[in-house]
Amino acid sequence: AAGVIQSPRHLIKEKRETATLKCYPIPRHDTVYWYQQGPGQDPQFLISFYEKMQSDKGSIPDRFSAQQFSDYHSELNMSSLELGDSALYFCASRNYGPGTEAFFGQGTRLTVV
Amino acid sequence: GQQLNQSPQSMFIQEGEDVSMNCTSSSIFNTWLWYKQDPGEGPVLLIALYKAGELTSNGRLTAQFGITRKDSFLNISASIPSDVGIYFCAGAGGTSYGKLTFGQGTILTVHP
Repeated sequence: AAGVIQSPRHLIKEKRETATLKCYPIPRHDTVYWYQQGPGQDPQFLISFYEKMQSDKGSIPDRFSAQQFSDYHSELNMSSLELGDSALYFCASRNYGPGTEAFFGQGTRLTVV
Repeated sequence: GQQLNQSPQSMFIQEGEDVSMNCTSSSIFNTWLWYKQDPGEGPVLLIALYKAGELTSNGRLTAQFGITRKDSFLNISASIPSDVGIYFCAGAGGTSYGKLTFGQGTILTVHP
C-alpha cells in the first residue's frame, strides 16, 4: 500500500539558510500534519492542513510557513535556520473526521550547521 | 497545554517476557493511539482506540482506552527481538483528530 512520502530524507543547511521540506500524503487523504522531533524527544505538532486550508497550529516558529497544494501535497518552508532547528521533521496524513488514523512518513532529517 | 505521562521510560527484558506500558493525562482524549518508532524512522501505528473502555488487540499487542478517557495501556506478550524500539502513546482531543499529543516514549530492549 502507498505510504506518506517525504523528501528529501536528509538535508544539511547552514545557519540563516532556508529549507523546503515536501510531503506527499497517502492517496485520497485530505489532511496533512507536520511534526518536529528533536533528539531524544517525542514528536511535537507544528501545523496541519485540511483541503488546502490551515486547520490547526501548534508550536511552529514564525520563521516557518507551510501550505497544502491542490494535489494535497504539502511543503514546510523554513527560513533563517538556527542550530536548534536540527531535528527530524515528520509529515502525517489522514482522512478528515473521526475514526481515521494518521499515518506518518519516514521523515526528513534536517541538520543545521 | 495537554501533556501525556508515559511510563516506564525504558525497559530491559528477556525474549519471551510480557511487557506493559501506560500513559496518563490530566486531560480527556477522544482518541488514543500507540506507535512504534525505529531510530531515524517515522512512527508506525500499532493500535488505535476510539471509545472509552475499548480493548483492542493486534497480534501480540493489546491496548485499552481507559474508562475515564485519561489513560491507556499497551501490553506486548511473548516479546521477540524485533519488538525493540521506542513506543509512543499519543492522544487526540476535541475535533483535532490528527493533532496528536505524544507521550515521552518507552525505550524497549529485548535480550535474546
